[in-house]
Amino acid sequence: SAVISQKPSRDICQRGTSLTIQCQVDSQVTMMFWYRQQPGQSLTLIATANQGSEATYESGFVIDKFPISRPNLTFSTLTVSNMSPEDSSIYLCSVEYQDRGELNTQYFGPGTRLTVL
Amino acid sequence: DQQVKQNSPSLSVQEGRISILNCDYTNSMFDYFLWYKKYPAEGPTFLISISSIKDKNEDGRFTVFLNKSAKHLSLHIVPSQPGDSAVYFCAASVSYGQNFVFGPGTRLSVLP
Repeated sequence: SAVISQKPSRDICQRGTSLTIQCQVDSQVTMMFWYRQQPGQSLTLIATANQGSEATYESGFVIDKFPISRPNLTFSTLTVSNMSPEDSSIYLCSVEYQDRGELNTQYFGPGTRLTVL
Repeated sequence: DQQVKQNSPSLSVQEGRISILNCDYTNSMFDYFLWYKKYPAEGPTFLISISSIKDKNEDGRFTVFLNKSAKHLSLHIVPSQPGDSAVYFCAASVSYGQNFVFGPGTRLSVLP
């Protein structure tokens, strides 16, 4: 499986500020995804980030609020801009990876727990 | 409209017994399904997958069954162990390389 790390693991931020979350993978992967898990809810896809192209955002998420960078095949960042308490959530990086001859599977990083005051 | 449903928010099972977690979906185009386990403060961990060409896939204590006509899949854990206590998410996609839609999760508690 792919090993994924995220920084920071958690943060407490003030309203109106921005936070950039980093995602590092130990293998080159084409497709990277950013998810959000709000308290008590399931995982919601924010955007798909492929290297060399603009990120594709899901309904309800926009680039101005969640700018994403994908400079190479092992790294991506997600910025949560102009934060409000409603942005308090766990943010998860995920990659698509083919493992042990299985069909492509998504693997997740440990998540970044964000609290906005 | 929720495309992937897990109607039981929680489930308690005695250690050594079978745990059965259910998942229903509404989109008939879904043809690839995954189960994830998630512990608190950790990212989801991939458990097992199944594609629509199969009706069963087994990996150790974990077996996933797919009933396409009923748009239903289930995860069986036998025997259940206390370390299996976690939230289990069912996820579905319309094809390889497409993003997955996640169910709301079922919290499994395995009692010693």
